[in-house]
Amino acid sequence: KAGVTQTPRYLIKTRGQQVTLSCSPISGHRSVSWYQQTPGQGLQFLFEYFSETQRNKGNFPGRFSGRQFSNSRSEMNVSTLELGDSALYLCASSSLVQETQYFGPGTRLLVL
Amino acid sequence: QKEVEQNSGPLSVPEGAIASLNCTYSDRGSQSFFWYRQYSGKSPELIMFIYSNGDKEDGRFTAQLNKASQYVSLLIRDSQPSDSATYLCAGGAGGGADGLTFGKGTHLIIQP
Repeated sequence: KAGVTQTPRYLIKTRGQQVTLSCSPISGHRSVSWYQQTPGQGLQFLFEYFSETQRNKGNFPGRFSGRQFSNSRSEMNVSTLELGDSALYLCASSSLVQETQYFGPGTRLLVL
Repeated sequence: QKEVEQNSGPLSVPEGAIASLNCTYSDRGSQSFFWYRQYSGKSPELIMFIYSNGDKEDGRFTAQLNKASQYVSLLIRDSQPSDSATYLCAGGAGGGADGLTFGKGTHLIIQP
């Protein structure tokens, strides 16, 4: 069974731009969670989607948003990028909300 | 605020010895706990999960949970150089509440 896939793997943007990251969960998994990982803050929860509905949201500004499609694929969008948004963005999928999560390879975003 | 605390390390253990990784959590409502291994530049990989008090063994790995003390641990027997990585502890509320709360990880070094 194929694992979680994320595209793109690497991205360089400049301040003020916006970015969209994509995640395809493991086949059959309907829950997708997004995390931001930085050296200083570690892994921080952004939001979780289940059956196209945002179930939970972490403590991030409204510039961070997401959505989930009917095929369970998910996208996250960051608008008006700031230097501090440079991070590894990880997507994780699970078969049920709050069950074991499996991570994708991540998208490394660099904001200049 | 929910917190998961881990000693950042590095924790240095000789090859063949037992590595003991510890984690404490603040939210008594946490029901599920996960250990992930993360190699440098890679995404987290699930090692084990535990829901009930006591020990759970899987090969060279044993997870221990003590809900009264709000304490989770991971033991790695017969440590190998390939076990050198950062180990992340995460707690979840179970049943569709907030996303997983991660500790910042313990950097483990297995000395040949």
